[in-house]
Amino acid sequence: AQKVTQAQTEISVVEKEDVTLDCVYETRDTTYYLFWYKQPPSGELVFLIRRNSFDEQNEISGRYSWNFQKSTSSFNFTITASQVVDSAVYFCALSGRSGNTPLVFGKGTRLSVIA
Amino acid sequence: DAGITQSPRHKVTETGTPVTLRCHQTENHRYMYWYRQDPGHGLRLIHYSYGVKDTDKGEVSDGYSVSRSKTEDFLLTLESATSSQTSVYFCAISQGTGGKYNEQFFGPGTRLTVL
Repeated sequence: AQKVTQAQTEISVVEKEDVTLDCVYETRDTTYYLFWYKQPPSGELVFLIRRNSFDEQNEISGRYSWNFQKSTSSFNFTITASQVVDSAVYFCALSGRSGNTPLVFGKGTRLSVIA
Repeated sequence: DAGITQSPRHKVTETGTPVTLRCHQTENHRYMYWYRQDPGHGLRLIHYSYGVKDTDKGEVSDGYSVSRSKTEDFLLTLESATSSQTSVYFCAISQGTGGKYNEQFFGPGTRLTVL
């Protein structure tokens, strides 16, 4: 069975601090896909990134970066120099080898960035 | 943004009444999904469809049925609503051919309250 664990339920930081959101996954598939979504207070779900299991390169997109480590089954998300607009619930998710199987979500981490 | 709409966006109903939620897409994507979001649970899959008239159950399918008679519409029906089905319901779509096409894009959500 697949499982995603986001151990941090809520995090609060002061603006301009760096923050890392943890994601640990479990799967028996050798090929799988990992995702991060953002859910701002308005409620929509915004796709942030997809990573497949055979690409362990870290990725940076502006202030966002992702660290994928198969050895520890982790796919952590770091926001550098956080801003108030980063306040949201962030979900990590996992899908199986076809990539089109339904996502299994973690329970989410609520990030509050205080000005 | 992916063309996904959900209707209604908000609904209040009474226990025992039937309810149908509609998801409509203009992207011609093959895969469609229904999730529910509850505090402390993240998002959980109810049902999904991998083509017209092809559907399968998810993690929390009891009490729900779905239908997909054409590519663009995926209906979720609560045959006899219960208070435990009070939730926010999200529809998602994906192209479903692997690689960069397996991101799931979400609709705006439907907030359902069962009294």
